[in-house]
Amino acid sequence: AQSVTQLDSHVSVSEGTPVLLRCNYSSSYSPSLFWYVQHPNKGLQLLLKYTSAATLVKGINGFEAEFKKSETSFHLTKPSAHMSDAAEYFCVLNSNSGYALNFGKGTSLLVTP
Amino acid sequence: KAGVTQTPRYLIKTRGQQVTLSCSPISGHRSVSWYQQTPGQGLQFLFEYFSETQRNKGNFPGRFSGRQFSNSRSEMNVSTLELGDSALYLCASSLEASGRETQYFGPGTRLLVL
Repeated sequence: AQSVTQLDSHVSVSEGTPVLLRCNYSSSYSPSLFWYVQHPNKGLQLLLKYTSAATLVKGINGFEAEFKKSETSFHLTKPSAHMSDAAEYFCVLNSNSGYALNFGKGTSLLVTP
Repeated sequence: KAGVTQTPRYLIKTRGQQVTLSCSPISGHRSVSWYQQTPGQGLQFLFEYFSETQRNKGNFPGRFSGRQFSNSRSEMNVSTLELGDSALYLCASSLEASGRETQYFGPGTRLLVL
């Protein structure tokens, strides 16, 4: 079975400090993994994706994620948080077996001044 | 290119009614997927269409249905609405059939069932 687990439902950081949002996955296939962001009352925006190329993936707005097969993890990081980063972040798995996306429960990122 | 568009953006219905939501994918995209987002269940896959054929369906009752037209536009219908159907319904499109394709999301339709 395919699944994704976001380890923190809420993360709070100060502006200018690093961001770490954790995601573990389970997949019997070689996975495709994505991070999406959702701002209040908005749709989902793709931050970055991993599809078996480089294990360190760079995305938009300074975000990056590292695929670690041995740890079945795909954590999202950013060196310095900005107030505009406050949003809901979803780690998403799309296995070869189908076309449906499997979403994590989401991590709400709060950025304080 | 214009993004994924969804209409209407907001809907209020009463229990027992039916509703139709519309999604226009990014030009050239042939795959359209639908998702339901609720605070309790999070984001759940409803169904996916490619070239007017439903290829994959999530675990939802038969009251939820959809279709795709030859121009790739898609509609989803919910009949006999229940209070629990109140949700944000998101449509996503992608270019091809591969499961590795990026799905691009529309802004969603927020449905409130009273």
